[in-house]
Amino acid sequence: EAQVTQNPRYLITVTGKKLTVTCSQNMNHEYMSWYRQDPGLGLRQIYYSMNVEVTDKGDVPEGYKVSRKEKRNFPLILESPSPNQTSLYFCASKALGNTEAFFGQGTRLTVV
Amino acid sequence: SQQGEEDPQALSIQEGENATMNCSYKTSINNLQWYRQNSGRGLVHLILIRSNEREKHSGRLRVTLDTSKKSSSLLITASRAADTASYFCATARTNAGKSTFGDGTTLTVKP
Repeated sequence: EAQVTQNPRYLITVTGKKLTVTCSQNMNHEYMSWYRQDPGLGLRQIYYSMNVEVTDKGDVPEGYKVSRKEKRNFPLILESPSPNQTSLYFCASKALGNTEAFFGQGTRLTVV
Repeated sequence: SQQGEEDPQALSIQEGENATMNCSYKTSINNLQWYRQNSGRGLVHLILIRSNEREKHSGRLRVTLDTSKKSSSLLITASRAADTASYFCATARTNAGKSTFGDGTTLTVKP
């Protein structure tokens, strides 16, 4: 089954404790992306990647890092999480070109 | 303000009625996509319309694009209670670069 898998689905952590949210897709898509969704603000793009070892900033990259060492994986790293990073995070992937994006089920992160 | 803004923010209709949602954007685009999201869950792609297209259909969904007005609309005909969800438009200036989502329209269809 074609899918984008995020882990964990829920995470509560403390300020400053490094964490990684994993994202994996099994569709051989070149393009992968991370978004955060906050009430009243829709989805905002954090980082995206058009292929292995190619990453670019989205609209809200501050406080986040990503890596794309393999085509299928695109982890989101928060080196020093802060409470304003409490949000619902989505990973997405798609083939290059005018194609549809597939979204993961989301990771609800709470930073206390 | 954000590229891709939906209107209205919330819409409540009776089952069987049609629902129309609008999306406006500010810069030129390569394509525009509509997504659906059930509460707190992942987004599901509905329709992609390219900048050189004016209208697309998929089942009960009809999307129009007016690049001169920088706007798009999503029409859901003969709505069902199961259509209750949030609907987002997303614009992309290239076919593989940044994409920008609007704040969404929350649709409630009453049985």
